[in-house]
Amino acid sequence: NAGVTQTPKFRILKIGQSMTLQCTQDMNHNYMYWYRQDPGMGLKLIYYSVGAGITDKGEVPNGYNVSRSTTEDFPLRLELAAPSQTSVYFCASSRDRDRRGDEQFFGPGTRLTVL
Amino acid sequence: AQSVAQPEDQVNVAEGNPLTVKCTYSVSGNPYLFWYVQYPNRGLQFLLKYITGDNLVKGSYGFEAEFNKSQTSFHLKKPSALVSDSALYFCAGPGSSGSARQLTFGSGTQLTVLP
Repeated sequence: NAGVTQTPKFRILKIGQSMTLQCTQDMNHNYMYWYRQDPGMGLKLIYYSVGAGITDKGEVPNGYNVSRSTTEDFPLRLELAAPSQTSVYFCASSRDRDRRGDEQFFGPGTRLTVL
Repeated sequence: AQSVAQPEDQVNVAEGNPLTVKCTYSVSGNPYLFWYVQYPNRGLQFLLKYITGDNLVKGSYGFEAEFNKSQTSFHLKKPSALVSDSALYFCAGPGSSGSARQLTFGSGTQLTVLP
C-alpha cells in the first residue's frame, strides 16, 4: 500500500494563477480531508468528504474548491491564487469505522508559495 | 467553542529522562482526543486516542497519555526519551461541529531530546 500520496511536492504560483493539488489513497477509505498548515498555527481543515460525490466545507474553505468523483481521489483546486494561500497542504483519509473519530492517515504534503 | 490548546511551543528534555507534552481541552460532552506526531518534511502520524474508559491510554513508540477530566488535560508522556523522539507534536479534538471526524488541532509543541 502506498497510503496517501500527494502531488506535487512543491509549487510556486504567481498571484491570480490557478492549480490543482492532487491526492490519492489506496486504502479504500470513505473519509478524506484537506488541511493547511501555517507556522505556529496547527492544522486547519479546508474541506472534507464522506464518500464519492459528497463534500463539505471545513473551517477555512474560502478560495478553494474540491470534488470527489471516486473513492480514491480528492483533488483540491485553487482558482485565483493569493499570497495568503502560501502554506503547506496536507491530504488525509480515514476508515471511519468509529463515528467518534478514527485515525487519520496523512500524505507527505505539498508546499505552496504564492508570489 | 470546541478547542484544544498546547501551552508550550517548545519542550527540551535530556535523553533518558521522562518527557511530558501538555494539552488542555475545552470540549462539550464527552471529549474524544488524539495525539499526532510530525517529523520534518513529513505528514502527521497517529500516536494514540482517548475515547472513553481507562484514563491512561497507551500508544505507538512507547508513548502514553493521561486523560484528566477535572483538569481538562490530556498530556502526552513517555518514561524515557530518545533522541529520535524529537519532532513536532499535535493534540487534536472534535471541531466546532462536535464531531471527531472534523478535528481541531492545537498549535503544536516542538520536542527536542538532547543527547
